[in-house]
Amino acid sequence: GDSVTQMEGPVTLSEEAFLTINCTYTATGYPSLFWYVQYPGEGLQLLLKATKADDKGSNKGFEATYRKETTSFHLEKGSVQVSDSAVYFCALSEVYGGSQGNLIFGKGTKLSVKP
Amino acid sequence: EAQVTQNPRYLITVTGKKLTVTCSQNMNHEYMSWYRQDPGLGLRQIYYSMNVEVTDKGDVPEGYKVSRKEKRNFPLILESPSPNQTSLYFCASSLYPGPRNTGELFFGEGSRLTVL
Repeated sequence: GDSVTQMEGPVTLSEEAFLTINCTYTATGYPSLFWYVQYPGEGLQLLLKATKADDKGSNKGFEATYRKETTSFHLEKGSVQVSDSAVYFCALSEVYGGSQGNLIFGKGTKLSVKP
Repeated sequence: EAQVTQNPRYLITVTGKKLTVTCSQNMNHEYMSWYRQDPGLGLRQIYYSMNVEVTDKGDVPEGYKVSRKEKRNFPLILESPSPNQTSLYFCASSLYPGPRNTGELFFGEGSRLTVL
């Protein structure tokens, strides 16, 4: 079945460092791709999305590009802040079958940003 | 205010004592889903529902039941809880479940369950 694999954490960075969190997927067809963020003590919330190949999703300084050829959707930010400390989840939306539209999540990557 | 509401937020119970975690959304969403979150295992789907009276198993449905009798509610039932169901549970909903899902799942704040 469809699946999402993201890099193991935790990731610890200093403020203003460059961030990359890798995400690759396996899917039948061309799913929509998403990044969700979970701040401490809260539920997940949508950070950005891309619905077709070569689309770039962006929000709050974060970006990710839908790469069909490498089946990847890596999350990047040029300069992280302490307030970006959170757990980040990559996800895809299933395309075919009775579960089409259902979201499949990766295991999450915990980011800690030090002042 | 648009929201997904879960209750209880915290619960400590004993093995075998049936419990229900309620989930309600006020956004007229068709799609609802339950997840559990465990350290090192990420977010795993328990059950989901594409619409009223339509439910399906996720990755880890064993030991759980759900029902979707009306659009706004999607309760999670543990008929005979066991310690391995100790976890943080999240309910979520979205407007449409279709093939080009917008992906904006709205999550509740979570229910932390401990089974002794």
